[in-house]
Amino acid sequence: NAGVTQTPKFQVLKTGQSMTLQCAQDMNHEYMSWYRQDPGMGLRLIHYSVGAGITDQGEVPNGYNVSRSTTEDFPLRLLSAAPSQTSVYFCASSYRPGSNEQYFGPGTRLTVT
Amino acid sequence: AQSVSQHNHHVILSEAASLELGCNYSYGGTVNLFWYVQYPGQHLQLLLKYFSGDPLVKGIKGFEAEFIKSKFSFNLRKPSVQWSDTAEYFCAVSTSGTYKYIFGTGTRLKVLA
Repeated sequence: NAGVTQTPKFQVLKTGQSMTLQCAQDMNHEYMSWYRQDPGMGLRLIHYSVGAGITDQGEVPNGYNVSRSTTEDFPLRLLSAAPSQTSVYFCASSYRPGSNEQYFGPGTRLTVT
Repeated sequence: AQSVSQHNHHVILSEAASLELGCNYSYGGTVNLFWYVQYPGQHLQLLLKYFSGDPLVKGIKGFEAEFIKSKFSFNLRKPSVQWSDTAEYFCAVSTSGTYKYIFGTGTRLKVLA
């Protein structure tokens, strides 16, 4: 099993550009989520999904979109990048939402200039 | 709203010293509790988890945590730290019936050789 994979590992964007961060898992997990990690603020939940076709907002959803067309994939879209979105983004998955540990991907370091 | 507090933001210890990292949460119902570790440049990994039963939970690498329901706490302990324990440690909570994991802001541990 590859576990949770994320691409790209690094990305630099200019303000206003859009892009998609990819996340995939091969563990048949129902639950997937996106976090951003900023110094001194821990991990903050952006969006999450409890199954294909079902997504919901987390703590900091503004400026981001998600979709879940398959169990395996959960891409995160930045619609119009802003410097405030400079962060490290982690995707995670778990077998069942809330009651199981999450498995994290290696992260994407995004810089918006 | 649920929240998780980690009061120690930075901890510096010498090798062989004992470690205790505090974690408090605010939620009155049934909770699931986690400690994750993030080694430099790596993604988060699970150290240990508590769902129910014995409130003293043992995890990997000699770590343990004690759930004290009356104090809403889940402190992480290790009797004797090693240089390789240098990392950032995150406490997280999920609650029955919700689909969100809430993370604390993290504690950076540096162990001096």
